[in-house]
Amino acid sequence: AQSVTQLDSQVPVFEEAPVELRCNYSSSVSVYLFWYVQYPNQGLQLLLKYLSGSTLVKGINGFEAEFNKSQTSFHLRKPSVHISDTAEYFCAVTTDPPNDMRFGAGTRLTVKP
Amino acid sequence: DVKVTQSSRYLVKRTGEKVFLECVQDMDHENMFWYRQDPGLGLRLIYFSYDVKMKEKGDIPEGYSVSREKKERFSLILESASTNQTSMYLCASTPAGSREKLFFGSGTQLSVL
Repeated sequence: AQSVTQLDSQVPVFEEAPVELRCNYSSSVSVYLFWYVQYPNQGLQLLLKYLSGSTLVKGINGFEAEFNKSQTSFHLRKPSVHISDTAEYFCAVTTDPPNDMRFGAGTRLTVKP
Repeated sequence: DVKVTQSSRYLVKRTGEKVFLECVQDMDHENMFWYRQDPGLGLRLIYFSYDVKMKEKGDIPEGYSVSREKKERFSLILESASTNQTSMYLCASTPAGSREKLFFGSGTQLSVL
């Protein structure tokens, strides 16, 4: 089955600094990739997704991610973070049917003033 | 909006009890999933189903079983609850063949004492 590895369990960063959260995937077939965010005491919310086409995808709240097939990566970036971006971020991968989605272990982003 | 409803938000059970977690979705989705979420481990897939009476094991099916007698309902069963099954359980659904996001329920926090 497909899988993802999130390379950093915690990322502390100062407000207005850029951030990159790293995600690598493994699959023997074509993949569809997602980033979800979970704010404290809330459910998961979709940030962005890559299905096909342009390898640079833009999501909500100023986040973007780049699909790199040769490096099997899908890193999430934001050029300038805010305190409100403090949350846990999950990378996820699925393939064509049965579309069973697998998640990474999560990266806790903490934005400091 | 798609609604995925989990029957209990909090549940406390004793070791050895048989536990039923219920999930109902109202959008005629073919695919349904059960995950557990633990700090530092992310979301792990327990079981999924892509049709009525069909089920597939995820990554951590041991100690669990599922039932899907009707399209809208997907039940997770802990045959004999153990303390290591204390966790947040999340149900999700998607349409057949979907490459889109999962629709999540609000979760059941299960404590096994």
